[in-house]
Amino acid sequence: DIQMTQSPSSLSASVGDRVTITCRASQGISNYLAWFQQKPGKAPKSLISAASSLQSGVPSRFSGSGSGTDFTLTISSLQPEDFATYYCQQYNGYPLTFGGGTKVEIK
Amino acid sequence: EVQLVESGGGLVQPGRSLRLSCAASGFTFDDYAMHWVRQAPGKGLEWVSGISWNSGTTGYADSVKGRFTISRDNPKKSLYLQMNSLRAEDTALYYCTKVGGRGSYYKTEFEYWGQGTLVTVSS
Repeated sequence: DIQMTQSPSSLSASVGDRVTITCRASQGISNYLAWFQQKPGKAPKSLISAASSLQSGVPSRFSGSGSGTDFTLTISSLQPEDFATYYCQQYNGYPLTFGGGTKVEIK
Repeated sequence: EVQLVESGGGLVQPGRSLRLSCAASGFTFDDYAMHWVRQAPGKGLEWVSGISWNSGTTGYADSVKGRFTISRDNPKKSLYLQMNSLRAEDTALYYCTKVGGRGSYYKTEFEYWGQGTLVTVSS
């Protein structure tokens, strides 16, 4: 199975900060990497697929990069509605696997 | 607008069975693979099972293999998860998800999620 490791597991940031979350795969997954945002009590929301393609309606302050084993989700200027938990997920092969999540909290 | 509405969750004793349903609308259901993903209370996301558009391919996490069965009824635009021999560790919110790639089971991302149905396994 492909293990997905996210870091950090949590972070505190202020509105307007630039935030970077990393995700590492235990083996190469090309660009078959997605990012999801989950707010408390809500279903996950798809943000990015194919490592860097924003889903329709996702603000441009979100961006993704990487290929192979190392990936990054960046929020260029953190907004109040961005405080949430973020998950990466590989879909290069089965079983599909998720990172452990990164909780972004208000400083 | 894509809508995925799960139902069938509830409180069930260990060893018993439960069948989850997901009613889909807003897209051509029989063009897309579908999946179940679960989230235990306070924990992360875990893929449970997936099925191709024509039911020709199915997959399961090792943790549920042999106990859970995924199926779909394309005319009814519905996805199902039959869960047998339930264990306490199956307690979770179960989400139905639609993939983005039309006709694809492999190498396609989750595009839409339902709101989930809660399964609690306890005596």
